[in-house]
Amino acid sequence: NFLLTQPHSVSESPGKTVTISCTRSSGSIASNFVQWYQQRPGSSPTTVIYEDFLRPSGVPDRFSGSIDRSSNSASLTISGLKTEDEADYYCQSYDSTDQVFGGGTKLTVL
Amino acid sequence: EVQLVQSGAEVKKPGESLRISCKASGYYFNTYWISWVRQMPGKGLEWMGRIDPTDSHVNYSPSLQGHITISVDTSISTAYLQWSSLKASDTAIYYCARHRNMYEWGQGTLVTVSS
Repeated sequence: NFLLTQPHSVSESPGKTVTISCTRSSGSIASNFVQWYQQRPGSSPTTVIYEDFLRPSGVPDRFSGSIDRSSNSASLTISGLKTEDEADYYCQSYDSTDQVFGGGTKLTVL
Repeated sequence: EVQLVQSGAEVKKPGESLRISCKASGYYFNTYWISWVRQMPGKGLEWMGRIDPTDSHVNYSPSLQGHITISVDTSISTAYLQWSSLKASDTAIYYCARHRNMYEWGQGTLVTVSS
């Protein structure tokens, strides 16, 4: 099995750009797709990025995803930050038997 | 429209049994896995296990194997998560989600276990 490690929290001002990292502990980040979920307080998670960089319909193009083989990590980048982006963000990936979630990153837009 | 509708909140005592449900609609039930995900109070998302509705094969999280049972009834497009003996530490919100890669989530079921 493996772990996905995210920063506990990040903060940035409205209109700016923020990047949240997700580092895989073992196995290649490129071996299995990475998804990103947004969870606002009191709500179910929703998908903002799937299969490394794809956006579900309805998710603005301010959200983008990427992977970096050299650091064995995935990243979620949110540009043009809005106060409504304030939420918890989780990365998720898998191997042959298990699904794994990162510990989550609290994004504060202040 | 794809929907996953979960059963309502439960309050139980330690040692009691419980089964919660997740009814799917708007798609052919057998074409997506169903996973259960736990969120303990103030904590992150934790994958519990996944079932393939075509053959009811289940992969459990190693940390939860033996404590939970995941099952499906394909005739009514419903997945279940059950416990035979609850602990106080099972207090959490439980989400079901359909997925291949991308998860699509139910609304969550709050389970409170307290004496």
